[in-house]
Amino acid sequence: RKEVEQDPGPFNVPEGATVAFNCTYSNSASQSFFWYRQDCRKEPKLLMSVYSSGNEDGRFTAQLNRASQYISLLIRDSKLSDSATYLCVVKAAGGTSYGKLTFGQGTILTVHP
Amino acid sequence: NAGVTQTPKFQVLKTGQSMTLQCAQDMNHEYMSWYRQDPGMGLRLIHYSVGAGITDQGEVPNGYNVSRSTTEDFPLRLLSAAPSQTSVYFCASSSKGWANEKLFFGSGTQLSVL
Repeated sequence: RKEVEQDPGPFNVPEGATVAFNCTYSNSASQSFFWYRQDCRKEPKLLMSVYSSGNEDGRFTAQLNRASQYISLLIRDSKLSDSATYLCVVKAAGGTSYGKLTFGQGTILTVHP
Repeated sequence: NAGVTQTPKFQVLKTGQSMTLQCAQDMNHEYMSWYRQDPGMGLRLIHYSVGAGITDQGEVPNGYNVSRSTTEDFPLRLLSAAPSQTSVYFCASSSKGWANEKLFFGSGTQLSVL
C-alpha cells in the first residue's frame, strides 16, 4: 500500500461546480498535512496547510480525519484557472523538524466552460 | 528575488554519461532538497540538506551525489546516467521556520537518458 494515495482522476467539471478530492495516508503517526498545486509542466506550489479543525481559504476548504486517516480538499465555484494537478502531502512525525514529506501522485482537475 | 533557480531546463544524456544539475536559491533558506517526479509515482526525495556542509539521503538516493558547500547552492550529480533516471527533477528550498513544509520549487529539469 502506498504511504499517500490519491485518486488520479481526471476530474472534469464545468465552471461553477463544486468538486472534492480525498487523499488517504497509511502512517497513523503523520503529523502535518498539506495540499500543493501543480500546473501543467510547472513546479508544485503550496496551496494550503490542513489543520485538525479544518480550514478555509476563499473557495478552498481542507479537512482532516485522523481516525480514518484521510484529508480532503473541496473547491467551490470552480474557475477555469483551477485546472491543475492537486498534490496531497503528508509529513511523518520525526525526531527533527525536518520530518519526511511524502507526496501523493496527484489528482488532475480540468474545469471546462 | 529570483527564488529557486534550476538549470538546465532540458537535458538529453547517453547511458553512462555524467552531469550536474544546478540549483541556487537567494532566500537564505537553510533547507534544500532534490526530488524526482515520475508518472503515477508522486515526487520522491533524492537527497536533502539542512545547512551548508550537511547532506543526507532521501528515499531514492542511488546513482546521485550532492554537496552543500554554501547556503545558496545545492548541485545534484548523476554519476553514470541510466535510462531509469529519465525523469523530471525539482530542486526545492524552505526556511527553518517552516522546516521543510513550505517548499519553494525550482522550475524543473526534464532529463532523458537514452
